[in-house]
Amino acid sequence: DAGVTQSPTHLIKTRGQHVTLRCSPISGHKSVSWYQQVLGQGPQFIFQYYEKEERGRGNFPDRFSARQFPNYSSELNVNALLLGDSALYLCASSLRPPHEQYFGPGTRLTVT
Amino acid sequence: GENVEQHPSTLSVQEGDSAVIKCTYSDSASNYFPWYKQELGKRPQLIIDIRSNVGEKKDQRIAVTLNKTAKHFSLHITETQPEDSAVYFCAARVNRDDKIIFGKGTRLHILP
Repeated sequence: DAGVTQSPTHLIKTRGQHVTLRCSPISGHKSVSWYQQVLGQGPQFIFQYYEKEERGRGNFPDRFSARQFPNYSSELNVNALLLGDSALYLCASSLRPPHEQYFGPGTRLTVT
Repeated sequence: GENVEQHPSTLSVQEGDSAVIKCTYSDSASNYFPWYKQELGKRPQLIIDIRSNVGEKKDQRIAVTLNKTAKHFSLHITETQPEDSAVYFCAARVNRDDKIIFGKGTRLHILP
């Protein structure tokens, strides 16, 4: 069974641009959560989706948005990129909340 | 808001000795406490978790204890091995919004 997959692996963007990150959960998992991990810190919760509905939102500006599709995959969108958005973006899936979350390999976003 | 404090930030132990990492949480509604191990450049991996109706859980060389009254929980690794070297994150989840809050991590070094 494949684990959580994310694409792309790495991404370089310029300030002001927007970005879309993608996540495919483990087969059978219906919940997806997004986290931002800055170097040397723990992951910070951004969003959780379950059955295509937003279940939780962290303290991130409205420039961050997400959605979940009928096949339970998910996209994270970030508009008007700032230098401070440079981080590892992690996706985690679980069967349903509240269950154990399993992380994908992450997308390393660099904003220049 | 919710907060998870983790100590120490760095820990060095001799191979074969035990390592203990401690965390405290602020929200008394927290009811699920996972621990993740993250090796350099890799995704966080769930190594053990505990729910609020249990005081202790053990899995081979790893154990976690929870003191709900004091809002403390700890990770204990016995008979440490070189492959235990990594960053360990504690986390806490509040059921009402499924948000998981991570500590800042402990970098564990196993000395030969």
